[in-house]
Amino acid sequence: EDQVTQSPEALRLQEGESSSLNCSYTVSGLRGLFWYRQDPGKGPEFLFTLYSAGEEKEKERLKATLTKKESFLHITAPKPEDSATYLCAVQAPTSYDKVIFGPGTSLSVIP
Amino acid sequence: DTEVTQTPKHLVMGMTNKKSLKCEQHMGHRAMYWYKQKAKKPPELMFVYSYEKLSINESVPSRFSPECPNSSLLNLHLHALQPEDSALYLCASSQDRGMNTEAFFGQGTRLTVV
Repeated sequence: EDQVTQSPEALRLQEGESSSLNCSYTVSGLRGLFWYRQDPGKGPEFLFTLYSAGEEKEKERLKATLTKKESFLHITAPKPEDSATYLCAVQAPTSYDKVIFGPGTSLSVIP
Repeated sequence: DTEVTQTPKHLVMGMTNKKSLKCEQHMGHRAMYWYKQKAKKPPELMFVYSYEKLSINESVPSRFSPECPNSSLLNLHLHALQPEDSALYLCASSQDRGMNTEAFFGQGTRLTVV
């Protein structure tokens, strides 16, 4: 069964304390892996798409990497405004239109 | 304009009511999506429209009825809902199928069924 898991479920960081979020997936024939950020009561905001193992993308303090089994979202010197839930999603191999979301990691950055 | 606009933002409806959620985008995107999100859970796909045709229905109960009148508009018609249908309903759009390109989500409609 196609599945996406994320760890940790919740993460508290001090401002400036770098860390990584993990997304593990068990889909055969990955078409694309996506990272989104979601603030409470709002819709997800697109961050990155990764297609193949070894690929990396960066945006401000965020860097996403992809291996054959997992993806990492590295947060360098986070600020309080980085506090949000970070969602990982994969494009289902059986259906081009279907995207499977992981449960998310709730990140809190403390000043 | 890089927005997906959803109306209303909040909706309270009784179990015998009929209501509609609306979603609009003017980015020329040809794929539009409805998702349902319960508190502290990830979004769950309900429907996908690709080039104004329904391409995916994730076994959603018939009390939810989607409609795509044109390439910019997506509606979700609600009838005889149950309290467990209370959730945040999100609309999204992408340039083409598969959400491979950047996908934009609306702010959602917070639905409460009483």
